[in-house]
Amino acid sequence: GQQVMQIPQYQHVQEGEDFTTYCNSSTTLSNIQWYKQRPGGHPVFLIQLVKSGEVKKQKRLTFQFGEAKKNSSLHITATQTTDVGTYFCDWGTGRRALTFGSGTRLQVQP
Amino acid sequence: NAGVTQTPKFQVLKTGQSMTLQCAQDMNHEYMSWYRQDPGMGLRLIHYSVGAGITDQGEVPNGYNVSRSTTEDFPLRLLSAAPSQTSVYFCASSPTSGGSTDTQYFGPGTRLTVL
Repeated sequence: GQQVMQIPQYQHVQEGEDFTTYCNSSTTLSNIQWYKQRPGGHPVFLIQLVKSGEVKKQKRLTFQFGEAKKNSSLHITATQTTDVGTYFCDWGTGRRALTFGSGTRLQVQP
Repeated sequence: NAGVTQTPKFQVLKTGQSMTLQCAQDMNHEYMSWYRQDPGMGLRLIHYSVGAGITDQGEVPNGYNVSRSTTEDFPLRLLSAAPSQTSVYFCASSPTSGGSTDTQYFGPGTRLTVL
């Protein structure tokens, strides 16, 4: 069956350092979505990637979808304490059930 | 639009009790789903629905029932609560069911404790 791994599970950085989380799939994805969940909150949609090799930016956040559409990354430049939370990927394959990755928990030390 | 609403926000049950978690969306979305999130963990899919009258099981369906009689509502029923069902429950909706636009919109969650 399909396997999507999200790595790392947890990362602790100093404020100002960069951070990257990855979602890697064993099969081709039709699209991928990224969400952020603040502590005690609910997941909030950040962005969707659909095209092979797509790169999108939101201020300090850069999202990439691999050329083979089997992996994606979220990179944060110069982290701030407001970036604290858990980042999830969620993917579609044309099947009905939408599935989430296990998430990467980011802690930012001021 | 209110988006996705969930009630109650908090609930404490005793083992063996039953209850229904309510979820409603006003965006005319076809797809709705229920997830549970245990402390420090990811989201696990319980049940989902691709449209009114159609439901299917997710990853962890045991102990839960759902129905989808209208597009707007997707209640989750706990048949006989167990301490292992202590969790935060999120309802989500999406415009389509597994197609190219799968953005999910989440409700605020219900924090359930089973004693």
